[in-house]
Amino acid sequence: ETGVTQSPTHLIKTRGQQVTLRCSSQSGHNTVSWYQQALGQGPQFIFQYYREEENGRGNFPPRFSGLQFPNYSSELNVNALELDDSALYLCASSLVAGNEQFFGPGTRLTVL
Amino acid sequence: AQSVTQLDSQVPVFEEAPVELRCNYSSSVSVYLFWYVQYPNQGLQLLLKYLSGSTLVESINGFEAEFNKSQTSFHLRKPSVHISDTAEYFCAVRTQYNFNKFYFGSGTKLNVKP
Repeated sequence: ETGVTQSPTHLIKTRGQQVTLRCSSQSGHNTVSWYQQALGQGPQFIFQYYREEENGRGNFPPRFSGLQFPNYSSELNVNALELDDSALYLCASSLVAGNEQFFGPGTRLTVL
Repeated sequence: AQSVTQLDSQVPVFEEAPVELRCNYSSSVSVYLFWYVQYPNQGLQLLLKYLSGSTLVESINGFEAEFNKSQTSFHLRKPSVHISDTAEYFCAVRTQYNFNKFYFGSGTKLNVKP
């Protein structure tokens, strides 16, 4: 059974650019959640996708957007990058929305 | 709204000593509680969870946590730590109604010294 994978591992961007992060959920999981973990902080919920529809959103601006595909993989897109967007972005999948979440290793984004 | 407070940002302890990592939560409705562990440069791994039933839950590697509703706490304990337990530990809650959102504390770094 393949676990949650994320790509890329590391990414460096400059202010104003756009970025796309990718996540492959664990086999059979239909729910994907995205979190932002700033340095020294706990993960903050960005949003969740369930069967290709957004299923809840945290306190993040609209320039954070996402997609979920028929195979349940997901993308996180961030437009107009700001310095404060520098963080570890974690993806988590689950079998049914709200049950135990399985986390990927994360993508570390640095905005210069 | 829900919130999680982990009072200790860092806990240094000697190997084979007991340890307690504190977690308090705030919620007006019933919650489910979780402890996750994060090793350097890795994602989060579930350590243990409380959903219902016995208020004392245990992990396979010797950690335990007790749900105390009156104190709104879910402290994590281990009677004897190992060097390999060095990691960052996060407490998380979600309500029984808003099932799509987990709230995490700011984390406690456990540093086990030889």
